[in-house]
Amino acid sequence: GESVGLHLPTLSVQEGDNSIINCAYSNSASDYFIWYKQESGKGPQFIIDIRSNMDKRQGQRVTVLLNKTVKHLSLQIAATQPGDSAVYFCAEHRQGGKLIFGQGTELSVKP
Amino acid sequence: DSGVTQTPKHLITATGQRVTLRCSPRSGDLSVYWYQQSLDQGLQFLIHYYNGEERAKGNILERFSAQQFPDLHSELNLSSLELGDSALYFCASSVATGTGGNTIYFGEGSWLTVV
Repeated sequence: GESVGLHLPTLSVQEGDNSIINCAYSNSASDYFIWYKQESGKGPQFIIDIRSNMDKRQGQRVTVLLNKTVKHLSLQIAATQPGDSAVYFCAEHRQGGKLIFGQGTELSVKP
Repeated sequence: DSGVTQTPKHLITATGQRVTLRCSPRSGDLSVYWYQQSLDQGLQFLIHYYNGEERAKGNILERFSAQQFPDLHSELNLSSLELGDSALYFCASSVATGTGGNTIYFGEGSWLTVV
């Protein structure tokens, strides 16, 4: 069935290191992908997005890479901080505004 | 703060009962989406409304229904509640119909516990 999956359920990094969170998607026709951050007890917070006609997009301390050949998406966080600790979801946009979410990766930042 | 407002934040009710969750989208947003988040199912799309009209349906049970009113706020009605309906229910909104590149912002969710 349709799914957007994450390779790792948990990721632990040292403060100041770079983090890379990976995601695989299944629908090659998807044209838009989004990364969300969800902190405990809160709603998903938009981080960055990328259209399928791009392979890289940068934001503040975050970069999203898209490899359509292998249907893979990644989120890179530079100089990871304790405030980055959260669950990160990739989401694949489908027709009608439907987002297909991955299972999520829990990022833990050690001080 | 995303600008999407949901009430109530927490709700405890008994099996068989009916509840209504309310959502006010961001100012100017015409699209409203409902999602359910549970431990075993993750974040699941339920339904999408645009300017009062239903646009897409996902894994929404027949016991659940939603509507979007002329002032663009939306309500999700959950009836004949079962223990398995306990979950976080999120509302999200966007300016247009969610075609690629139209950012979708989420509210803080309504925690529903069915006992």
